[in-house]
Amino acid sequence: DQQVKQNSPSLSVQEGRISILNCDYTNSMFDYFLWYKKYPAEGPTFLISISSIKDKNEDGRFTVFLNKSAKHLSLHIVPSQPGDSAVYFCAASDTDKLIFGTGTRLQVFP
Amino acid sequence: GAGVSQSPSNKVTEKGKDVELRCDPISGHTALYWYRQSLGQGLEFLIYFQGNSAPDKSGLPSDRFSAERTGGSVSTLTIQRTQQEDSAVYLCASSLSGSPRGYTFGSGTRLTVV
Repeated sequence: DQQVKQNSPSLSVQEGRISILNCDYTNSMFDYFLWYKKYPAEGPTFLISISSIKDKNEDGRFTVFLNKSAKHLSLHIVPSQPGDSAVYFCAASDTDKLIFGTGTRLQVFP
Repeated sequence: GAGVSQSPSNKVTEKGKDVELRCDPISGHTALYWYRQSLGQGLEFLIYFQGNSAPDKSGLPSDRFSAERTGGSVSTLTIQRTQQEDSAVYLCASSLSGSPRGYTFGSGTRLTVV
């Protein structure tokens, strides 16, 4: 069963607008969450993370929000740029590994 | 090395053949992970190494899959008697201390079984 879920397989956003990518998880024991970005033919690269003791972490144009009661996190990108077009994976830290969601393909158009 | 290196980058094999995929982690990284991404799927965990031992093999989908790591460095993922459903991108990642919070991924091996 999927412990980390990204229910939107794709998202299309106009340049300059906000992109919001969502992620849900089922295991309340997860204590650390990450977002990775993946371009075609490349490995995923780390983008931003958040500990379960926080509800928000910001890094430049990227902000991750965590709602523990809802077991939900989201990634906000503002303003969105064409170079942000990629697949975004949310991940949760298990004891010895990361568990990834299925990814959301973001397309930012001019 | 500067990054995680995987070879080959692409592999086409006939159904029933064995394949070996190689991962060369970042020097000094003690933890090494194998994942795969099938078409339309997320990153599926396969196996985790800490040094040369594999404390978590829970993701290996069948006994046709095996992996080893020698010298605390290079790892080889072997798939025996490949099937079409094995077609996927196989990704390797390493991290410095075994914490899953600092993965660096390689570019992956795209395996196609025909």
